Amino acid sequence: GAGVSQSPSNKVTEKGKDVELRCDPISGHTALYWYRQRLGQGLEFLIYFQGNSAPDKSGLPSDRFSAERTGESVSTLTIQRTQQEDSAVYLCASSEGAYQPQHFGDGTRLSIL
Amino acid sequence: GQSLEQPSEVTAVEGAIVQINCTYQTSGFYGLSWYQQHDGGAPTFLSYNALDGLEETGRFSSFLSRSDSYGYLLLQELQMKDSASYFCAVHYGGATNKLIFGTGTLLAVQP
Repeated sequence: GAGVSQSPSNKVTEKGKDVELRCDPISGHTALYWYRQRLGQGLEFLIYFQGNSAPDKSGLPSDRFSAERTGESVSTLTIQRTQQEDSAVYLCASSEGAYQPQHFGDGTRLSIL
Repeated sequence: GQSLEQPSEVTAVEGAIVQINCTYQTSGFYGLSWYQQHDGGAPTFLSYNALDGLEETGRFSSFLSRSDSYGYLLLQELQMKDSASYFCAVHYGGATNKLIFGTGTLLAVQP
């Protein structure tokens, strides 16, 4: 089936605005992850959803960041009152379960002016 | 805390063999994965080692030594298309499947 789909692919917004990023995981994948990748850097874990369990939010950098997922479907990552340091590529991944390979989307490139 | 170290850059020629090392310090270690990322693209899964030893997948092999907190990715018969960043990533976190990524190794394959 289709891979992980993220939208928008690019987002440019002004400092202080809120943004919402969307991730459609691979159908049947119970686990979903959000990562942030700054230019030339590795991937930074943000949040992990597994089925109906409470999400692991330990990687969210501040309370301006939040994410939701309904069941085993779409997830949204929301950044409120964006700051210039939020500029990065936000990657979503899904997997069949814990300790299974993670399949990544192409990411959303977020630029804060 | 958790940390991973890998070389920032490696250069090799077509047809050669290259080894990318990864050392890690982490509690709650469950396994080591390797991902490839071409410039501007999504990371793609290459291999996963949960136990000590060598895993082979075509031209790529990955090795893990849990006692040494060390692993490597071996790429054989290098091709130009192998030019990319390669990330090692530690699985940790018990019931969660968090991946902690290294900063990546940029592999440049030259003709």
